[in-house]
Amino acid sequence: DAGVIQSPRHEVTEMGQEVTLRCKPISGHNSLFWYRQTMMRGLELLIYFNNNVPIDDSGMPEDRFSAKMPNASFSTLKIQPSEPRDSAVYFCASSPRVGNTEAFFGQGTRLTVV
Amino acid sequence: GQSLEQPSEVTAVEGAIVQINCTYQTSGFYGLSWYQQHDGGAPTFLSYNALDGLEETGRFSSFLSRSDSYGYLLLQELQMKDSASYFCAVLLDDKIIFGKGTRLHILP
Repeated sequence: DAGVIQSPRHEVTEMGQEVTLRCKPISGHNSLFWYRQTMMRGLELLIYFNNNVPIDDSGMPEDRFSAKMPNASFSTLKIQPSEPRDSAVYFCASSPRVGNTEAFFGQGTRLTVV
Repeated sequence: GQSLEQPSEVTAVEGAIVQINCTYQTSGFYGLSWYQQHDGGAPTFLSYNALDGLEETGRFSSFLSRSDSYGYLLLQELQMKDSASYFCAVLLDDKIIFGKGTRLHILP
């Protein structure tokens, strides 16, 4: 398996624009996580899904952020409208099953909002 | 709520041993994990402790004391390639919560 695949790897956008980040989890994994990493706040859990169903989105910073998982092999994280403070590295991770202790991370999307 | 505390930076010498501590405060707890992240890379899983005691995997060992809400990662025979950030993480109600990470600097 190729691992967790995220796209794009880098994204530069202007404030106010919509940004969509994409993730393909490892085949057969039932849990998917979206994290945001910054120097100040570290790795923050934004939302996670089990069997394509959003379970906990309490980490989503505000209504500008939304995430979907229409099927077991694809998830998106959307920011609309984007703001400079959204600049960060966004990671998607998957794990084989609920409660599994090991998460497998994608290479991340480095988002810069100017 | 929950919190995980670990030092922001640690410096050690190549070939030496270093210990990175982590204390946690959570409303529920299943186990403590450790991840490694090199600059520009993604976090990768190192180890997991569900029970008290020491788990050894090659040059790396991880320890947990549930009664003290404390764990550590022990790295032996340090190599320059071990220069990275190390995160402790707790499994909490099926989600994985990370500490802010400890940056390990290794001197030749």
